[in-house]
Amino acid sequence: GEQVEQLPSSLIVQEGASVLINCSYTDSASVYFPWYKQEPGKRLQFIIDIRSNMERKQNQRLTLLFDKKTKHLSLHITATQPGDSAIYFCSARPRNMGYKLTFGTGTSLLVDP
Amino acid sequence: AQTIHQWPVAEIKAVGSPLSLGCTIKGKSSPNLYWYWQATGGTLQQLFYSITVGQVESVVQLNLSASRPKDDQFILSTEKLLLSHSGFYLCAWRDWGKDTQYFGPGTRLLVL
Repeated sequence: GEQVEQLPSSLIVQEGASVLINCSYTDSASVYFPWYKQEPGKRLQFIIDIRSNMERKQNQRLTLLFDKKTKHLSLHITATQPGDSAIYFCSARPRNMGYKLTFGTGTSLLVDP
Repeated sequence: AQTIHQWPVAEIKAVGSPLSLGCTIKGKSSPNLYWYWQATGGTLQQLFYSITVGQVESVVQLNLSASRPKDDQFILSTEKLLLSHSGFYLCAWRDWGKDTQYFGPGTRLLVL
């Protein structure tokens, strides 16, 4: 089955810095990749997604890059704020299995004010 | 606007005792519903999904069962809890024909 890995597992940055979170998957049938953010004590929040027919998607300070050939995604967050502190999850959904969502191992981000 | 609720917020239960967790979604008809489990500090694992009332599919076996008695309700249960059932249980919904799943606030379970 699909396996989704994220690196790094954790990182600490100063407020205002940029961060890069990497995600790799194994199943070439995966076509949809949503990302979620989990702040302490709060629900999982959808933040951005990309489909396999796209290479790049931006939502304010978030930029998501997708490389189908290498089965790799990267989430770039610019001008980080303390409110960005959370665990970030990459996930993958295969074609023709709309119910199936496999989550990555998670990246814990701490932004120091 | 759609709202998703889960109950209880948290539970402490004894090994071998029964469990029932609930999820309700308001403001959306015939949603696809999902149960996930998250070990402390871990990733999310999909447990069950349901596309309609009375129909539930299991994704992974963890000695749990699920039911969908109403269009807006999804129940997760077991008759005998194990220590390994401890963790965070999340319910999610998805619109028909859409891609994104949206999550409820979760129920934290501690089995002693």
